[in-house]
Amino acid sequence: AQKITQTQPGMFVQEKEAVTLDCTYDTSDPSYGLFWYKQPSSGEMIFLIYQGSYDQQNATEGRYSLNFQKARKSANLVISASQLGDSAMYFCAMREGYNTDKLIFGTGTRLQVFP
Amino acid sequence: NAGVTQTPKFQVLKTGQSMTLQCAQDMNHEYMSWYRQDPGMGLRLIHYSVGAGITDQGEVPNGYNVSRSTTEDFPLRLLSAAPSQTSVYFCASRKTGVSLTEAFFGQGTRLTVV
Repeated sequence: AQKITQTQPGMFVQEKEAVTLDCTYDTSDPSYGLFWYKQPSSGEMIFLIYQGSYDQQNATEGRYSLNFQKARKSANLVISASQLGDSAMYFCAMREGYNTDKLIFGTGTRLQVFP
Repeated sequence: NAGVTQTPKFQVLKTGQSMTLQCAQDMNHEYMSWYRQDPGMGLRLIHYSVGAGITDQGEVPNGYNVSRSTTEDFPLRLLSAAPSQTSVYFCASRKTGVSLTEAFFGQGTRLTVV
């Protein structure tokens, strides 16, 4: 079974609008972390935001926020005030437990921001 | 501060050839790992290491070997390249600790096996 599911292969958003990228996860481990990475066309993986399973509040980093709904096992990324430079692939990933280095990635969502 | 450095950036191999993808980090991170990225898929873990002298298999380890003789370096060896190993390879590192810190990725190596 898929542990990380991103159901939106592609999304379009107009500049300055907000956009939500969906991510659902599946784990039985009570300790886990959820990550979002951005991959622009140049290919590098850029860390955006992190949410721990025990964190009480939703994570925010500048224009990025993570809508963490633990009971629904969802960790959606919200990008506010989209910019043309936000056009990229976005990957949701999960790490189960603390003493592990296994990141499990979703298949990604390609975001296109238009003027 | 270089971060995670991968070499080479591009490589073309013939089927059956061997080669080593290099990965080095200067952040004194304990954890290092190798992923491959194929079209339409997310990254998949090949091998990882939690410290010098310790390695373990990830999701797709077949056809690859690793070793970790120093904290800084984590090379990935392809013993006999196959077309199915055509992919983009990413090396990542992160610090251990109680909090689930993010992994820092290298720039990637685009490998084509013909």
